[in-house]
Amino acid sequence: DGGITQSPKYLFRKEGQNVTLSCEQNLNHDAMYWYRQDPGQGLRLIYYSQIVNDFQKGDIAEGYSVSREKKESFPLTVTSAQKNPTAFYLCASSRGTDRDLEPQHFGDGTRLSIL
Amino acid sequence: DAKTTQPNSMESNEEEPVHLPCNHSTISGTDYIHWYRQLPSQGPEYVIHGLTSNVNNRMASLAIAEDRKSSTLILHRATLRDAAVYYCILKNYGGSQGNLIFGKGTKLSVKP
Repeated sequence: DGGITQSPKYLFRKEGQNVTLSCEQNLNHDAMYWYRQDPGQGLRLIYYSQIVNDFQKGDIAEGYSVSREKKESFPLTVTSAQKNPTAFYLCASSRGTDRDLEPQHFGDGTRLSIL
Repeated sequence: DAKTTQPNSMESNEEEPVHLPCNHSTISGTDYIHWYRQLPSQGPEYVIHGLTSNVNNRMASLAIAEDRKSSTLILHRATLRDAAVYYCILKNYGGSQGNLIFGKGTKLSVKP
């Protein structure tokens, strides 16, 4: 079955450490997104990518970095510059940002905590 | 993107219909109304979307007011698996960023 796979499901970060969250999709989607969700809140956009080798900052990109070397992969690195990284991170994909009627498909998330 | 207003929480009994309201008084003519839901500890799931006419699919129905300033998501027979946070989102056709702007949504509880 096609879908989005995020790993790991749980992740712990030490102070001063960078960690990378994995997101893989086999839906042949062009667009991919990273969102952050804090308890009791909605989702906020970190980064998005419309096509391979291109990505754009979202509303809360500071302290995060991404790459899009392959269509199916969009890893997110939470750097030590992100002072409050504890959150639920969600990856999504859609056919393309120019097709706004297309639903976004989400992974099951990675919960990141600070040790 | 225009803002939506939803009740924080609602309760329903199992096997009864549920009507989840959403107000969007500043909606523009090119804004589509999308609904997603999020089960505990999972990513959001697309439910339905519409522009002006009422819409039906296997999951739910979407009733849109004539002036488009409000809409209602209808679950015809709630099950325990429908307990989730339901998000009403406006998405402007042709927007360049493509992301969805999620509010806090409505937390639906279903009682057996």
